[in-house]
Amino acid sequence: KAGVTQTPRYLIKTRGQQVTLSCSPISGHRSVSWYQQTPGQGLQFLFEYFSETQRNKGNFPGRFSGRQFSNSRSEMNVSTLELGDSALYLCASSGTGKETQYFGPGTRLLVL
Amino acid sequence: KNEVEQSPQNLTAQEGEFITINCSYSVGISALHWLQQHPGGGIVSLFMLSSGKKKHGRLIATINIQEKHSSLHITASHPRDSAVYICAVMEDSGYALNFGKGTSLLVTP
Repeated sequence: KAGVTQTPRYLIKTRGQQVTLSCSPISGHRSVSWYQQTPGQGLQFLFEYFSETQRNKGNFPGRFSGRQFSNSRSEMNVSTLELGDSALYLCASSGTGKETQYFGPGTRLLVL
Repeated sequence: KNEVEQSPQNLTAQEGEFITINCSYSVGISALHWLQQHPGGGIVSLFMLSSGKKKHGRLIATINIQEKHSSLHITASHPRDSAVYICAVMEDSGYALNFGKGTSLLVTP
């Protein structure tokens, strides 16, 4: 089976712009979670989707949003980018959300 | 205060040594995960535990639900074990992982 894929792998944006990141889960997995990793805060949970429904959202401002499509692929969007949004964004998939999570390689976002 | 505390934060060991990384948490959980992250960012799930003990090769993970504590052991450590090891818990009420700050392990030849 192919693993979790994320696109793009690297991205440079400027403050105020918006960005959309994509995650394709392992075939058959219906749960997709998104995480932000920064040197200062470590790994933090953003949100989790299952069958196109957001079941959990982390403590992030409304500028961070996401969605999941009927084929379980997921996107996350960050609007009005700030310098502090520079981070590695990881997604992970699992069958129902309560099993082992399989992580993608991440998207490294740099906001200038 | 972080709900998940890991110790030590940094660890240097000589090849062949037995290594222990500890994780304590403060909430009710459905499962605890041990993850490994190599330089470059890729994260691999090592174990998911809800009780007892699991073993995979030279890696052993244990959990004590009553004491809210887990340990990850590496026997006969090797330089390729050098990585950041992260403990994460999934609360029993939801689907969010809460992460520890990680333990940076360096194994020298």
